Amino acid sequence: QSVLTQPPSVSAAPGQKVTVSCSGSSPNMGNNYASWYQQLPGTAPKLLIYDNNKRPSGIPDRFSGSKSGTSATLGITGLQTGDEADYYCGTWDSSLSAVVFGGGTKLTVL
Amino acid sequence: QVQLQESGPGLVKPSETLSLTCDVAGYSISSGYYWGWIRQPPGKGLEWIGSIYHSGSTYYNPSLKSRVTISVDTSKNQFSLKLSSVTAADTAVYYCARPTTVTRHDAFDIWGQGTMVTVSS
Repeated sequence: QSVLTQPPSVSAAPGQKVTVSCSGSSPNMGNNYASWYQQLPGTAPKLLIYDNNKRPSGIPDRFSGSKSGTSATLGITGLQTGDEADYYCGTWDSSLSAVVFGGGTKLTVL
Repeated sequence: QVQLQESGPGLVKPSETLSLTCDVAGYSISSGYYWGWIRQPPGKGLEWIGSIYHSGSTYYNPSLKSRVTISVDTSKNQFSLKLSSVTAADTAVYYCARPTTVTRHDAFDIWGQGTMVTVSS
């Protein structure tokens, strides 16, 4: 059971927009930055968003992040079939002194 | 360009100790960062195991703390993971990773390719 809660799956049509939620609590999302990762099958996770809404170099602006209170949201616009992947949120938990992840959300582009 | 590469046995017997090493290329571990280990059981999500600073200070996942040791060898520019008393539940792909900034434990932007470790007799 993960410290951060994500929906198991989301889906949308190509070209549409989708959001993935990540719910936590005060010691983690409430007081620390959110990160988001994309994991394609058989590959290592790739950082999409850090510090709630910053994109590493090379990440297209179709990917965006936001945080409010103890929840964070990943947004993906202009969906492509290549976006089909598992998406994970993560953050630092100040109470556990540990990095925590969500259980992951599988994105299907219909 | 910073690159990480995990290495170690792909098969470990139950009750024995899992040992992995992460070789770092393109950056000196002595220069900083909290170098981390993350694992992913087959078909499941990510689990942070722990991190180590170049000075040797460590942070461990509370659920694994009693069995985990992470160490660093700056002369070889590598850091290592030892997980004792393994069971089938420790079967996973093990990744080493580095965060985006020197002061952070999370937000990993550089990952190794991962190495599959199976616990079986």
